[in-house]
Amino acid sequence: KAGVTQTPRYLIKTRGQQVTLSCSPISGHRSVSWYQQTPGQGLQFLFEYFSETQRNKGNFPGRFSGRQFSNSRSEMNVSTLELGDSALYLCASNGRGGAQTQYFGPGTRLLVL
Amino acid sequence: GQNIDQPTEMTATEGAIVQINCTYQTSGFNGLFWYQQHAGEAPTFLSYNVLDGLEEKGRFSSFLSRSKGYSYLLLKELQMKDSASYLCAALFSGGYNKLIFGAGTRLAVHP
Repeated sequence: KAGVTQTPRYLIKTRGQQVTLSCSPISGHRSVSWYQQTPGQGLQFLFEYFSETQRNKGNFPGRFSGRQFSNSRSEMNVSTLELGDSALYLCASNGRGGAQTQYFGPGTRLLVL
Repeated sequence: GQNIDQPTEMTATEGAIVQINCTYQTSGFNGLFWYQQHAGEAPTFLSYNVLDGLEEKGRFSSFLSRSKGYSYLLLKELQMKDSASYLCAALFSGGYNKLIFGAGTRLAVHP
């Protein structure tokens, strides 16, 4: 079965712009988690969606938002980009077994100039 | 808070054994994960412990002590391809699929 896909894989933006990243989970998975990974902070939880509802949220400013569609695909949006938003954004597809059946996508590497 | 602590870097020799430790705060703890991440790639699942004890999976084993808030990942018969970052992550009650990650331990295996 197909794995987790994320698009785009690489992205370059400038400060002040906004960006939308997409994640398609494994077929049958209804939950998607988003993480930000930077060299200084490591992997940090952004939010989690289950059946189109945000179920959990990390400690990120309101510039970071997300949503999930009826087909379980999820998007995250970052508005008014800052240099510090440069990071690898990882999407994880969560099966019925919870976090122990969490599979990460390849990530989107965002560079903000 | 829910801090997860692990060493920043470790080095080891090919063929040797290395143990990577991880400590976490026990309040609300629900399970401990280990992931491997090669440079430029996504993390891949290695192990999950929820009960005390040792879980062995080939060359890799993971141990958990819930009362001590302590886990370790044991890598045996090290190979050069084991050079990677190893991420310790914990699940806490009410967190659903929200994993709290440590900063990762960068392991360098040399000949």
